[in-house]
Amino acid sequence: QKEVEQDPGPLSVPEGAIVSLNCTYSNSAFQYFMWYRQYSRKGPELLMYTYSSGNKEDGRFTAQVDKSSKYISLFIRDSQPSDSATYLCAMSVYNDYKLSFGAGTTVTVRA
Amino acid sequence: GAGVSQSPSNKVTEKGKDVELRCDPISGHTALYWYRQRLGQGLEFLIYFQGNSAPDKSGLPSDRFSAERTGESVSTLTIQRTQQEDSAVYLCASSPQTAMNTEAFFGQGTRLTVV
Repeated sequence: QKEVEQDPGPLSVPEGAIVSLNCTYSNSAFQYFMWYRQYSRKGPELLMYTYSSGNKEDGRFTAQVDKSSKYISLFIRDSQPSDSATYLCAMSVYNDYKLSFGAGTTVTVRA
Repeated sequence: GAGVSQSPSNKVTEKGKDVELRCDPISGHTALYWYRQRLGQGLEFLIYFQGNSAPDKSGLPSDRFSAERTGESVSTLTIQRTQQEDSAVYLCASSPQTAMNTEAFFGQGTRLTVV
């Protein structure tokens, strides 16, 4: 069993729809949770960074962490074609260098 | 430049050859990280540098892989006697302190294809 599981998709939605992405994990010691966006042929860029459980909102993006279920989610409201990318979840035990990544979900937002 | 720069962007090599991948971190960033991204898989940690020293090399897949960093700046990842399973995108990131957090940034990666 992988330490972090993420549905690879692909996911295709119409413009304006809500995109829902999620990851499950097995290591209960994870405390730091991240979502990265990666455009084709580019490096990952950090979208959301949260510590422990709870919700965090940044513009059209909302990250949720449920440590009791070992489940994290990313919601994108009012999705735009420019949101078309691969979204990677990542997590770590400490605020340090070694992240465990999901495989990534490829999202296409149709105009 | 303002970001992390990696070269080459693409590299095709024959099985058995050695390759060198280069990473130029953001100026002033003391921490530097190498990750590998295989097709359809998440990023795998390879090695990190704090200054010129590498406290954790545990992610290097085999002794064919090595990395160095000089002058607290440029880092080179070397793969000797390349194998087809080494085909992947090799990503470098840097940060002011040792933490992959909001201050860490990735380069665009080097796409390595071993034929």
